[in-house]
Amino acid sequence: GAVVSQHPSRVICKSGTSVKIECRSLDFQATTMFWYRQFPKQSLMLMATSNEGSKATYEQGVEKDKFLINHASLTLSTLTVTSAHPEDSSFYICSAEMRTEAFFGQGTRLTVV
Amino acid sequence: GESVGLHLPTLSVQEGDNSIINCAYSNSASDYFIWYKQESGKGPQFIIDIRSNMDKRQGQRVTVLLNKTVKHLSLQIAATQPGDSAVYFCAENERGSYIPTFGRGTSLIVHP
Repeated sequence: GAVVSQHPSRVICKSGTSVKIECRSLDFQATTMFWYRQFPKQSLMLMATSNEGSKATYEQGVEKDKFLINHASLTLSTLTVTSAHPEDSSFYICSAEMRTEAFFGQGTRLTVV
Repeated sequence: GESVGLHLPTLSVQEGDNSIINCAYSNSASDYFIWYKQESGKGPQFIIDIRSNMDKRQGQRVTVLLNKTVKHLSLQIAATQPGDSAVYFCAENERGSYIPTFGRGTSLIVHP
């Protein structure tokens, strides 16, 4: 199957700083990638759809100025959590779509202290 | 809005037993269903899928059953092993969409 790589797997940052998470499709090109957020013992919640070469589409309730998404190439999408606060601490997961199937990255555990 | 949900949040079984994880969905427009396995600290991993024109699909040690009449989906794992311990999510795709909507998840605990 297709491989999606996410980096970093874990990050700890101070309140007020920004953190960038990368999502790469390693062996295929992905015009569309997705970003999810997952709280402990809960399901995955779709945050936004990242479209190569155009603006991301955010789900209702997700602040686009808080969670900046850039999809500059067919193999890379980035999620930047700006001015992070402790309540942004969560598990962030990306996925890429290939031939109608979604392939997921290994996730990034963000802890804001 | 419409959502995918699970009946059992936690399922404990003995190694070697068969496991059945259930899922209810409510979106009648969904035509593609997927089961994912998520181990602690990792992303979801595809297990098996089924389209709405099928009632049953089998993989290696896993079987998915779809009952469209009552909008119910189940995942059967044969001869459950400790390595099967994880959270299992069902997800649905609405017709024409490739963005899965995830259910709540069931934690499967396999005791040696």
